[in-house]
Amino acid sequence: NAGVTQTPKFQVLKTGQSMTLQCAQDMNHNSMYWYRQDPGMGLRLIYYSASEGTTDKGEVPNGYNVSRLNKREFSLRLESAAPSQTSVYFCASSEALKGAAVGETQYFGPGTRLLVL
Amino acid sequence: GEDVEQSLFLSVREGDSSVINCTYTDSSSTYLYWYKQEPGAGLQLLTYIFSNMDMKQDQRLTVLLNKKDKHLSLRIADTQTGDSAIYFCAESAGSARQLTFGSGTQLTVLP
Repeated sequence: NAGVTQTPKFQVLKTGQSMTLQCAQDMNHNSMYWYRQDPGMGLRLIYYSASEGTTDKGEVPNGYNVSRLNKREFSLRLESAAPSQTSVYFCASSEALKGAAVGETQYFGPGTRLLVL
Repeated sequence: GEDVEQSLFLSVREGDSSVINCTYTDSSSTYLYWYKQEPGAGLQLLTYIFSNMDMKQDQRLTVLLNKKDKHLSLRIADTQTGDSAIYFCAESAGSARQLTFGSGTQLTVLP
């Protein structure tokens, strides 16, 4: 199993350009997530998808859109990139903790490093 | 809203124990987690504890939970250079799927 894969690994954009970050998982997980990681701020949730065909906003959704294309794939789109969106973006998928009624294990991709000039 | 706080840096000598601390504000937290992030990589789940437990041990890792003070700690025994990484505390509340992460603690293990 490849787990969670993300493309591209690195990207440089100019202000106003658009791009789509791709994420795929091969673990048959229902839930998928997009986070951004900024120095000293931990991970902040941008959007999540509890199941195929559903998406919901997280803590910092402004400037982003998402598509849950199928169970495997969850993409993140920046329509008009801004310098404030310079960050490392992580995709994750999750499964329930074994033997637990609630609680999850999240599996993370390697990240996409985005620089917006 | 929920808040999870950690100190940013910790340095220890190889072979010593490391203790990474975390405080959280959500009294309805159900599970608390520790994730590890190695340089250039995504986060990896190290261990977790259910809120009705006060301690969990897993090989070199010991998690202590003080629910009254909303304080979580991760102790790594016999710390090795391979343990150098950023450690994130996270919590989830009730049946919510979203995790709230702390800002991460950079652990540096000195030879």
